[in-house]
Amino acid sequence: QKEVEQNSGPLSVPEGAIASLNCTYSDRGSQSFFWYRQYSGKSPELIMFIYSNGDKEDGRFTAQLNKASQYVSLLIRDSQPSDSATYLCAVMRYGQNFVFGPGTRLSVLP
Amino acid sequence: EAEVAQSPRYKITEKSQAVAFWCDPISGHATLYWYRQILGQGPELLVQFQDESVVDDSQLPKDRFSAERLKGVDSTLKIQPAELGDSAMYLCASSLSGTSQETQYFGPGTRLLVL
Repeated sequence: QKEVEQNSGPLSVPEGAIASLNCTYSDRGSQSFFWYRQYSGKSPELIMFIYSNGDKEDGRFTAQLNKASQYVSLLIRDSQPSDSATYLCAVMRYGQNFVFGPGTRLSVLP
Repeated sequence: EAEVAQSPRYKITEKSQAVAFWCDPISGHATLYWYRQILGQGPELLVQFQDESVVDDSQLPKDRFSAERLKGVDSTLKIQPAELGDSAMYLCASSLSGTSQETQYFGPGTRLLVL
């Protein structure tokens, strides 16, 4: 079982819709969870992080964490074509390093 | 805004040749990471430095890869000899002190093509 799993996609949503990106992880001791966006040929850029169970909102983005289910998600409201990218989930445990998932490719259709 | 710098941005080389990549982290960041990202996959950690010391190089292919951060600031990653399978994006990232609640900031990456 891979440590961090994501659906590779592509996930296609129409402009203005809500995009839901999911990530599951195997290490129950994981403490920190990060979402990065990566445009084709570019490096990852941080969208947001979450440490506690529940929801965390930042503009059009909401991260949701459920440690009991070992599940973290990212919701993008009012999706725009400029949101089309690969979204990487990264999980970290104290004293250890980031483990990245393979990424989900999102396509927002005009 | 402070950024992680990397050079070169692109590198084409022939197999068996030596290549080197350079990274300058955000000023004041003690922790520096080198990742390799193969197309369609997430970044995979190669080596982590805390100041000038290596704290994790368990995934670094030490027979051909080497990394150093002599003065605890900028860093060099070297591959000798390069193999076809080394074609990938090499990403450098830095964080303030490497704790679990810190964000890693990535540089623009070096795209390597080995022919």
